Amino acid sequence: DAKTTQPPSMDCAEGRAANLPCNHSTISGNEYVYWYRQIHSQGPQYIIHGLKNNETNEMASLIITEDRKSSTLILPHATLRDTAVYYCIVVLNYGGSQGNLIFGKGTKLSVKP
Amino acid sequence: DTAVSQTPKYLVTQMGNDKSIKCEQNLGHDTMYWYKQDSKKFLKIMFSYNNKELIINETVPNRFSPKSPDKAHLNLHINSLELGDSAVYFCASSPGLKAGGETQYFGPGTRLLVL
Repeated sequence: DAKTTQPPSMDCAEGRAANLPCNHSTISGNEYVYWYRQIHSQGPQYIIHGLKNNETNEMASLIITEDRKSSTLILPHATLRDTAVYYCIVVLNYGGSQGNLIFGKGTKLSVKP
Repeated sequence: DTAVSQTPKYLVTQMGNDKSIKCEQNLGHDTMYWYKQDSKKFLKIMFSYNNKELIINETVPNRFSPKSPDKAHLNLHINSLELGDSAVYFCASSPGLKAGGETQYFGPGTRLLVL
């Protein structure tokens, strides 16, 4: 079972910031928080990951609370192409058998004009 | 260049047939995976290989047999196809058993329909 809880759906106006929350209250000290998204009919796409510190890349920012029990993915200026299902996943960051991704139901983000 | 490619993109076949799906990655990754996404959109790991060795084999019927001829390829052969095998199958790869190795890159998927 997925170790994360996300709202099933969210709406966001085009051009505004999309803030997607994720609860992972049982996360252990050596587990990372990963975010992927799946645009309709495509394969999942990696967005960002982090352990403790906030992270930013060209796609998004990841804010992790100090107790690491929750995080927020921020898309600073959402576009219609950001409409997708967003998955928050916690995983041991060793690859292979240690870290297979367990996908939950995710949050369906709808960006509206 | 496509990083992770799968063939075919669509596969329609009759129950009882045997079929294969191919996956290739040109990222130089050590680890490759097969996932299944069913009609309810749940995405589940099936297998993973690291350097051609099987690492993860989730509860998958033994009609499904992955084969990794080399690090860049992981094929999925399915015997005696059943209606319940209809799904989208995604291949993925990741750098492997090292820190940062869990960033997985997915292929476009193979849509299998068993009639």
